[in-house]
Amino acid sequence: IVMTQSPDSLAVSLGGRATIDCKSSVNILSFSNKKNYLAWYQQRPGQPLKLLISWASIRESGVPERFSGSGSGTDFTLSISNVQAEDVAVYYCQHHFGSPLAFGPGTRLEIK
Amino acid sequence: EVQLFQSGGGVAQPGGSLRLSCEASGFTFVNYAMIWVRQVPGRGPEWVSAISGTGISKYYADSVRGRFTISSDRSKNTVYLEMNSLRVEDSALYYCAKDARYNSSGYLTGTYYFDFWGLGTAVSVSS
Repeated sequence: IVMTQSPDSLAVSLGGRATIDCKSSVNILSFSNKKNYLAWYQQRPGQPLKLLISWASIRESGVPERFSGSGSGTDFTLSISNVQAEDVAVYYCQHHFGSPLAFGPGTRLEIK
Repeated sequence: EVQLFQSGGGVAQPGGSLRLSCEASGFTFVNYAMIWVRQVPGRGPEWVSAISGTGISKYYADSVRGRFTISSDRSKNTVYLEMNSLRVEDSALYYCAKDARYNSSGYLTGTYYFDFWGLGTAVSVSS
């Protein structure tokens, strides 16, 4: 399974909205449990990845509500509303639909 | 508090060997898979290897199978990655990470995602 992301980078004004797309080369929606096997991570400069969202849309504990995930099947979106300076990072999607798992190439978010 | 403390790594020549360690604390080690992921600066992470909490089940990426060996010591809550026959393209920052999903089966499911990560350890392979 190959994960792609778009755009490669984007610049958003403080308080604005960022939208990052992730596409899977195969359907990662399980017919048995109706779950999408897709996670989103944030990587700030010099830091390891931080899990933001699992199962395509479930926000992890402690993650601000302005982060939201959507989508199903092969097309997914991470949305960040009211962008803050601390959101500057690279964002990665990852499928966990089976081995080998794979990450997307990342989308860099900057402040305009 | 979950913590993953990484050690090892460094510089090796092509064909050489290195060993990475990842000591875990703050959770029941036997009930969670652990993985190694590597990342070249400016690129997306690449999954390398995974081991079940019991150590029974192990997976490897095609790029490292036959050269890298993952293992664990439950008495020390530590996961290891033995890297042999190193290549220049193995140079990266290596992270260990904990599966977010509780797994009592002792076997890998291949459906893991990761809620805690180590700080990473650098591996450089150069002649």
